[in-house]
Amino acid sequence: GAVVSQHPSWVICKSGTSVKIECRSLDFQATTMFWYRQFPKQSLMLMATSNEGSKATYEQGVEKDKFLINHASLTLSTLTVTSAHPEDSSFYICSASVGTEPQHFGDGTRLSIL
Amino acid sequence: RKEVEQDPGPFNVPEGATVAFNCTYSNSASQSFFWYRQDCRKEPKLLMSVYSSGNEDGRFTAQLNRASQYISLLIRDSKLSDSATYLCVVSPNDYKLSFGAGTTVTVRA
Repeated sequence: GAVVSQHPSWVICKSGTSVKIECRSLDFQATTMFWYRQFPKQSLMLMATSNEGSKATYEQGVEKDKFLINHASLTLSTLTVTSAHPEDSSFYICSASVGTEPQHFGDGTRLSIL
Repeated sequence: RKEVEQDPGPFNVPEGATVAFNCTYSNSASQSFFWYRQDCRKEPKLLMSVYSSGNEDGRFTAQLNRASQYISLLIRDSKLSDSATYLCVVSPNDYKLSFGAGTTVTVRA
């Protein structure tokens, strides 16, 4: 089946650091990639939707200058959490899809900001 | 009001038991419905899509009630490996997914 890889799987860093998370579709070309965030015991919340070569569409309440998304190719999207603070600690998950086919999820990145 | 609401559980059942739970959704224009499974600290994985007529996949049966805007999942002959959080997912179109917070099921030996 379709494979989506996320890297790194776990990050611990100091407050104020910027953290980049990569999402790669390994065996297919994804027309759309999605970034979600999940706090403990809560649902996945869509942060933004990105299409290759165009600007990401951010959900209401998500700061685009804080969460930078780059989708430079059909197999790679990156999310950069700029100047991360403890409240940004969360589980970040990407997914990728082709057209209207079901989304395939990456294995997630656990971000802990000290 | 949340777009998708679920009973968080947990539902603690013995092996072999049947367990069922629902979720409700607020957007009457929703078109696609799914159940995902999420294990602790892992990514969600698609369990099954939910069709208007109801559908079955092995021990799992899903039902959709558009009039009352709820979806159900029934697990028969529970296995220890069924222990997980089950996420109800609704989509108003073909690509944007709204997740419930999940229902936790624990199957005990």
